[in-house]
Amino acid sequence: DAGVIQSPRHEVTEMGQEVTLRCKPISGHNSLFWYRQTMMRGLELLIYFNNNVPIDDSGMPEDRFSAKMPNASFSTLKIQPSEPRDSAVYFCASSFGLEGSYGYTFGSGTRLTVV
Amino acid sequence: QQQVKQSPQSLIVQKGGISIINCAYENTAFDYFPWYQQFPGKGPALLIAIRPDVSEKKEGRFTISFNKSAKQFSLHIMDSQPGDSATYFCAASYRGGSEKLVFGKGTKLTVNP
Repeated sequence: DAGVIQSPRHEVTEMGQEVTLRCKPISGHNSLFWYRQTMMRGLELLIYFNNNVPIDDSGMPEDRFSAKMPNASFSTLKIQPSEPRDSAVYFCASSFGLEGSYGYTFGSGTRLTVV
Repeated sequence: QQQVKQSPQSLIVQKGGISIINCAYENTAFDYFPWYQQFPGKGPALLIAIRPDVSEKKEGRFTISFNKSAKQFSLHIMDSQPGDSATYFCAASYRGGSEKLVFGKGTKLTVNP
């Protein structure tokens, strides 16, 4: 398996533009998580899905952020409009989601810079 | 109650030494405690995990010690190597890891040759 695949790896955009981050989880995993990592705040959970259904989006910072999971093999995180304070590394992770599972598998992340 | 507090923020160890990173939690409902290792430019990767029914788990040079009464757990890296230089995150979750993970702030470990 190729692991969790995120795209793009790097994104530089201007303030006010729409940004879409993409994630392909590991086949067979039924939970998907979006995290944001910054030096100041560490790893923050933004939203997670189980069986394609959003379970907890309490970490989504504001209405400018939205996430979708239209099927088991694809998820997007959208920021519209983007702001400089959104600059961070965004990680997607997936897991099998059952007790006894062996934790998350993270993608390599998307480094977002908003100028 | 959702927080996991991790210390130290950074750690410098000589090659061959022991690295120790500590974490504390408040929520007694947590029942799954993994450690993740992250290299620059990569996502965190699961290193080792423990459940509260055991006090210690060892995998190679990595050991988790768990103190349920104190609500603390720690990662020990024996015979630390320069290749262990990375950022380490402790985390906690409910229901054996099937629920969302709450991460500590991370510890940047540097092992000098």
